[in-house]
Amino acid sequence: DAGVIQSPRHEVTEMGQEVTLRCKPISGHNSLFWYRQTMMRGLELLIYFNNNVPIDDSGMPEDRFSAKMPNASFSTLKIQPSEPRDSAVYFCASSPGGLAGGWSTDTQYFGPGTRLTVL
Amino acid sequence: QKEVEQDPGPLSVPEGAIVSLNCTYSNSAFQYFMWYRQYSRKGPELLMYTYSSGNKEDGRFTAQVDKSSKYISLFIRDSQPSDSATYLCAMSYGSGNTPLVFGKGTRLSVIA
Repeated sequence: DAGVIQSPRHEVTEMGQEVTLRCKPISGHNSLFWYRQTMMRGLELLIYFNNNVPIDDSGMPEDRFSAKMPNASFSTLKIQPSEPRDSAVYFCASSPGGLAGGWSTDTQYFGPGTRLTVL
Repeated sequence: QKEVEQDPGPLSVPEGAIVSLNCTYSNSAFQYFMWYRQYSRKGPELLMYTYSSGNKEDGRFTAQVDKSSKYISLFIRDSQPSDSATYLCAMSYGSGNTPLVFGKGTRLSVIA
C-alpha cells in the first residue's frame, strides 16, 4: 500500500493567492483528518471527516479555509486568500475506523505533509 | 494552559542510554494515549498506544499512563542513533475514531 498521499509536497506562493492542498487516504479507510504543524503551536487538528461527511471543523482558523471530501479517495484543503501566517506543514491522516469502529484498529496514518510558504 | 504539555527539549543522550519522555495533560476526559515518532521532514508515525492507566511494553519501548496524576511517559531502553527524532505524545477523548490532541513534541538526539 502506498500510504496516505499528499500533493504538492512543497508550495511557495504569494500573499493573496489561492492554495489547494490534496490528499488521497489509504484505500478502505473511513476517516480523514487535516492537521497543521507549526513551531509555535505544534500539531493541531483543522477538520475531520467520517465517511466523507465533515464532523468537526472547529479547528479551521477562519473563513479563508475550506475543506471538501467529494469521495472516499480524495480530499482538498483550500486557502483563499492565503496569508504569511498560514505558512506551516499541513498533514493529512486517515484511519480505518468510522463512527462505529473499535479503537484497536483505528490507528491514524499520516501522509508526508505539504510544506506551505506564503510570502 | 494548553491541554497537553510536553517539554520540547532538545534532549541529547549517548548511545545505549535510557531515555525518559513525558507529558502532562489537564483534561481528565482523555482515555486513549499515544506516542508518535516524527523524523525530520516526515509525517508522524504511531509508536505506542495505551487505553486508560497502565503500562505497555514493545521491544525497547515502554509506555506508562498515570491518569490520577494526568501524566504519561515513554521510556526507550538501549537508545540507538536511529531513535533520533521528535517524539509527540497524543491523546483522545473517546473510543472509535476521534481526533488526536498532541503535545508539541520533544526532539531527541542519540549520539554514537
